[in-house]
Amino acid sequence: RKEVEQDPGPFNVPEGATVAFNCTYSNSASQSFFWYRQDCRKEPKLLMSVYSSGNEDGRFTAQLNRASQYISLLIRDSKLSDSATYLCVVNDDTGFQKLVFGTGTRLLVSP
Amino acid sequence: DAMVIQNPRYQVTQFGKPVTLSCSQTLNHNVMYWYQQKSSQAPKLLFHYYDKDFNNEADTPDNFQSRRPNTSFCFLDIRSPGLGDAAMYLCATSSPLGGGQPQHFGDGTRLSIL
Repeated sequence: RKEVEQDPGPFNVPEGATVAFNCTYSNSASQSFFWYRQDCRKEPKLLMSVYSSGNEDGRFTAQLNRASQYISLLIRDSKLSDSATYLCVVNDDTGFQKLVFGTGTRLLVSP
Repeated sequence: DAMVIQNPRYQVTQFGKPVTLSCSQTLNHNVMYWYQQKSSQAPKLLFHYYDKDFNNEADTPDNFQSRRPNTSFCFLDIRSPGLGDAAMYLCATSSPLGGGQPQHFGDGTRLSIL
């Protein structure tokens, strides 16, 4: 079983749509969680951290369910510029910031 | 205002010819990481430095070495690149202060092997 699992997609949605991505992780001791965005042939960029209480940043909402070891990202009112790969990332907290990446979910927003 | 800078952005080398990729940071972070990312795959951690302490991942080939002469700079040396080493190499930094600190990535170096 992969440590961090994501649906690779692609998710094809029209502009303005709401889209949700899910992610599961295997290490129940994981303490911190992130969503990164990666554009084609570019570096990953932090989109948002994910907190137990859930958090929102504009059109983006992230939620964490520790009991189910499940993380989600909701994007409302999709823009063309949201087209990218979204990486679910878990910090294994083995004494330093060892990040474990999912393989990413690709989002394509069309006009 | 680039904070993690990788050079070069693109590197072409010949099969078996040693190559060095560089990374510098202006964040004064203690921890620096090197990742390898192949097409459609997740970034794979090769090793990291916590200050001067080097930590190698168990499955990182011996062909890959690293140097960190000071806080700001870190180098990835590939002693004898093979065709399978063609990939994007990402440098990242983080602060070890508490949990939940994200990593900051450089633009990456895309390595091609002829």
